[in-house]
Amino acid sequence: DAKTTQPTSMDCAEGRAANLPCNHSTISGNEYVYWYRQIHSQGPQYIIHGLKNNETNEMASLIITEDRKSSTLILPHATLRDTAVYYCIVRPRGTGTASKLTFGTGTRLQVTL
Amino acid sequence: DGGITQSPKYLFRKEGQNVTLSCEQNLNHDAMYWYRQDPGQGLRLIYYSQIVNDFQKGDIAEGYSVSREKKESFPLTVTSAQKNPTAFYLCASSIRPAEVNDMNTEAFFGQGTRLTVV
Repeated sequence: DAKTTQPTSMDCAEGRAANLPCNHSTISGNEYVYWYRQIHSQGPQYIIHGLKNNETNEMASLIITEDRKSSTLILPHATLRDTAVYYCIVRPRGTGTASKLTFGTGTRLQVTL
Repeated sequence: DGGITQSPKYLFRKEGQNVTLSCEQNLNHDAMYWYRQDPGQGLRLIYYSQIVNDFQKGDIAEGYSVSREKKESFPLTVTSAQKNPTAFYLCASSIRPAEVNDMNTEAFFGQGTRLTVV
């Protein structure tokens, strides 16, 4: 599985957009980018995923660069409840590929008043 | 309700004792995973299983053992050989990526078991 690199921590003011970057320069063509978040002492929660096109759902938007070597998770209007650790991982698609589902250390997002 | 359940939420054991953590899912998922999380750290993969009666070591398997006799169950045993067993343990399940193309293979996590060895 490709390795990902994220900043250790970020701050964001409530109501502003939170932009969380992730580098995955060794991503291969059959791997998706997934984002999860973990609120303190709970299990991680799925947010969004994408292959090469930008994606949006009710929680967030995912912007993937054209070369797919990096991506940005956008929380358009951050609230205090978005304070969490955000993990970016890559996961293979398709048949014949076993996946370890490996997490890194993530980005600790602190949303402040 | 469909989901993944870990029990108990808190577990205390004496040093040198083996302890088994339970993980059950009713999502009909083939793949299941065990992670360990230490304070302020990310998730580290202990073991994973892609299908019943099969499992593979993750990145930190030493001192742990698993079984996968049933699709819905993937218990983790923390043995006395594990040097620092006190941690937060998380179980997850998902569709196998090997099963389908272009489907969301998101992992669903349990709420975790906090193990303290004294």
